[in-house]
Amino acid sequence: EAQVTQNPRYLITVTGKKLTVTCSQNMNHEYMSWYRQDPGLGLRQIYYSMNVEVTDKGDVPEGYKVSRKEKRNFPLILESPSPNQTSLYFCASSLTGQGTNQPQHFGDGTRLSIL
Amino acid sequence: AQSVTQLDSHVSVSEGTPVLLRCNYSSSYSPSLFWYVQHPNKGLQLLLKYTSAATLVKGINGFEAEFKKSETSFHLTKPSAHMSDAAEYFCVVTHAGNMLTFGGGTRLMVKP
Repeated sequence: EAQVTQNPRYLITVTGKKLTVTCSQNMNHEYMSWYRQDPGLGLRQIYYSMNVEVTDKGDVPEGYKVSRKEKRNFPLILESPSPNQTSLYFCASSLTGQGTNQPQHFGDGTRLSIL
Repeated sequence: AQSVTQLDSHVSVSEGTPVLLRCNYSSSYSPSLFWYVQHPNKGLQLLLKYTSAATLVKGINGFEAEFKKSETSFHLTKPSAHMSDAAEYFCVVTHAGNMLTFGGGTRLMVKP
């Protein structure tokens, strides 16, 4: 089954404790991205990757890191999480990123709470 | 720069009545436009997309949207609401770069 898998689905942690949210897709997609969803703000793009070893900042990259060492994986790293990063996070992928007129395939989300 | 405004944060309809979810956009380029639906505790699912072909776009589950360049609008409609349509809906615009911009979302409630 074609899917985007995120782990963990839920995480409660404390300020400053490094964490990683994994994202994996099995569709051989080139384009992957991370979003955060906050009430009334819709989804805002954090980082995206056009292909292996190519990453770019989105609208809200501060406090986050990503890497794309393999085509299927695109982990999101919070080196020193803070309470304002409490949010619902989505990973998405699409066949290509050119013009991004390709539909995005979304994971089921990761709810992070930073205390 | 581009932006997306969903004009209603909440819409409530009765089952069997029409649905209208409004979206206005601004973009410096010829945009691609999408509508996605999000059911509780799930990711977003594509409903339909516009990519400069026909201005009236048909999607899944009986939804359709009309691209009106003069009004910079891309409103989502459905002739007859079903209980299973209750969800949050997002209008999305892309542009010449590789980034997507989401509207703030519209929560659709369907009353029996």
